[in-house]
Amino acid sequence: GESVGLHLPTLSVQEGDNSIINCAYSNSASDYFIWYKQESGKGPQFIIDIRSNMDKRQGQRVTVLLNKTVKHLSLQIAATQPGDSAVYFCAENLTGGFKTIFGAGTRLFVKA
Amino acid sequence: GAVVSQHPSRVICKSGTSVKIECRSLDFQATTMFWYRQFPKQSLMLMATSNEGSKATYEQGVEKDKFLINHASLTLSTLTVTSAHPEDSSFYICSASPTSGANEQYFGPGTRLTVT
Repeated sequence: GESVGLHLPTLSVQEGDNSIINCAYSNSASDYFIWYKQESGKGPQFIIDIRSNMDKRQGQRVTVLLNKTVKHLSLQIAATQPGDSAVYFCAENLTGGFKTIFGAGTRLFVKA
Repeated sequence: GAVVSQHPSRVICKSGTSVKIECRSLDFQATTMFWYRQFPKQSLMLMATSNEGSKATYEQGVEKDKFLINHASLTLSTLTVTSAHPEDSSFYICSASPTSGANEQYFGPGTRLTVT
């Protein structure tokens, strides 16, 4: 079926270290992927996206990697800060872009 | 730019009553709006997609007669939870897109509904 899942439900990192959050997706028809950050009691906040014709995209302190062979997404956060503590969701849009499917989420804890 | 608001941010209602949640795009016209529900410590689940002036498209398992969606203008969509029950208590989040698809979505801050 259509699903986007995560390998790790929680991740704890030391401030200043790099964080890697992983996500597996199962729908090969997806052609657009997004990472969102959600703080407690708030709506999702867009972080970075990538299309299926790319395998890497970089933003400010964040990098998304896409491996279509194994249907795997990852979000790398460089020099993790306390303000990065949140739940991170990967999401996929099916070809045509009419629907977004969210993964289960990973909670990131940043230790000072 | 691309700000989406929701009102109210929190609402408590008694079982059996109905409650309306508004979703507004403040600085753009939203061709498409999406409604999601999120239970504690869970992911967002798409409930329905609405296009301005058309009937909403509901996801499998979402009762359209219970969750009434109206997208009467290009800046406003409403979700009405009818005959609410405690199991409807959840975090309801809307998103809006200036296009007919989901590739460019801007999320609202969410509405916490508690049914007593």
